[in-house]
Amino acid sequence: EAGVAQSPRYKIIEKRQSVAFWCNPISGHATLYWYQQILGQGPKLLIQFQNNGVVDDSQLPKDRFSAERLKGVDSTLKIQPAKLEDSAVYLCACLMYDGKKETQYFGPGTRLLVL
Amino acid sequence: AQSVTQPDIHITVSEGASLELRCNYSYGATPYLFWYVQSPGQGLQLLLKYFSGDTLVQGIKGFEAEFKRSQSSFNLRKPSVHWSDAAEYFCAVDPFSGGYNKLIFGAGTRLAVHP
Repeated sequence: EAGVAQSPRYKIIEKRQSVAFWCNPISGHATLYWYQQILGQGPKLLIQFQNNGVVDDSQLPKDRFSAERLKGVDSTLKIQPAKLEDSAVYLCACLMYDGKKETQYFGPGTRLLVL
Repeated sequence: AQSVTQPDIHITVSEGASLELRCNYSYGATPYLFWYVQSPGQGLQLLLKYFSGDTLVQGIKGFEAEFKRSQSSFNLRKPSVHWSDAAEYFCAVDPFSGGYNKLIFGAGTRLAVHP
């Protein structure tokens, strides 16, 4: 979790409401990822940013999900309107160079429950 | 189809016993390989990774993993499990060795440790 902060840690909303999550790389990292982790499954990539540009959003449900990374630092992920199946943990990760290769390091995640 | 398989959904071991968690992948070339651990309510923590070279990789917390090209496997091992090792373990693959830095995760193996 080193170097990646996320907020809020928990969120409970009703279906059809909107919700936003924030990711703050503590020190600047060019590449940032958002993952969705549904209970009992591994994380699934939603979107990848390089600085403030989108590299891959092929698995982002664009009818309801949106993400942005203004100024190439912090990022927000929004769901509008939420559905029951959006209940999951949303993980943010950044790419960090560890002396050998760049590796993804994750934040603590935001747990979303849609009622 | 390209995939990462963790055949064991749940494993229970006694404290002090040895542990092996299985991971198989199906990609044409040798990908980069990772193991992450997720404790309850936490994000993903990197245990170890394989990029090239020595096929036996040492990680944190006494874990090691062995890459076997002939079996397309990257199994995680620990000689003596501690109660604090109870968590969910994810194998992940970066299939694009050219530097795309994307991760595909397995479904995870939940480890329980009996005293």
